[in-house]
Amino acid sequence: AQTVTQSQPEMSVQEAETVTLSCTYDTSESDYYLFWYKQPPSRQMILVIRQEAYKQQNATENRFSVNFQKAAKSFSLKISDSQLGDAAMYFCACGNNAGNMLTFGGGTRLMVKP
Amino acid sequence: EAGVTQSPTHLIKTRGQQATLRCSPISGHTSVYWYQQALGLGLQFLLWYDEGEERNRGNFPPRFSGRQFPNYSSELNVNALELEDSALYLCASPNPPGPFSYNEQFFGPGTRLTVL
Repeated sequence: AQTVTQSQPEMSVQEAETVTLSCTYDTSESDYYLFWYKQPPSRQMILVIRQEAYKQQNATENRFSVNFQKAAKSFSLKISDSQLGDAAMYFCACGNNAGNMLTFGGGTRLMVKP
Repeated sequence: EAGVTQSPTHLIKTRGQQATLRCSPISGHTSVYWYQQALGLGLQFLLWYDEGEERNRGNFPPRFSGRQFPNYSSELNVNALELEDSALYLCASPNPPGPFSYNEQFFGPGTRLTVL
């Protein structure tokens, strides 16, 4: 069984500044994957970044990076140089090949202030 | 290639009725995942279909069912609707195709089901 917890229901950030969204997870699998998905208002969910658990190096995609702490089962998302278009719901998710589906956290609503 | 499509966009039903939601995956891709996103909650895994077969099922009652057609499109049926079934139902198709959790899931726009 897998669980994913996002403890911050809402976050806000000033445009051009940096914000970190928290996520903790629990899984009994040794081989698993972690994801951050973004759901803009009234728009489709899209993948932001993903991390394979066996890789120690933190994933980076342009302004988005993760801080993967495997022992602590923590997978936070850092957004640098925040833009107005970053305003959305962000979901952390965990997947493995045993069940072939994703377990999602409850989401964090990110607001970006101009 | 076309993305994931879902219909209808909105569906309003009354308690006790049945709802049918439809999804077409990325063209030629064989897997379809269904998720329920209730208000204020994250996505809950409902069903996974691949090659016409149900491969996995989430912790939902049997009145949630579905099927996958030979063209890989899928239907989600919800019988005996209850008020708490009101939610956004999302369909997803992995890309590249294949039942591997590492693959990016492409999501459809969802069907907003309201049960009165």
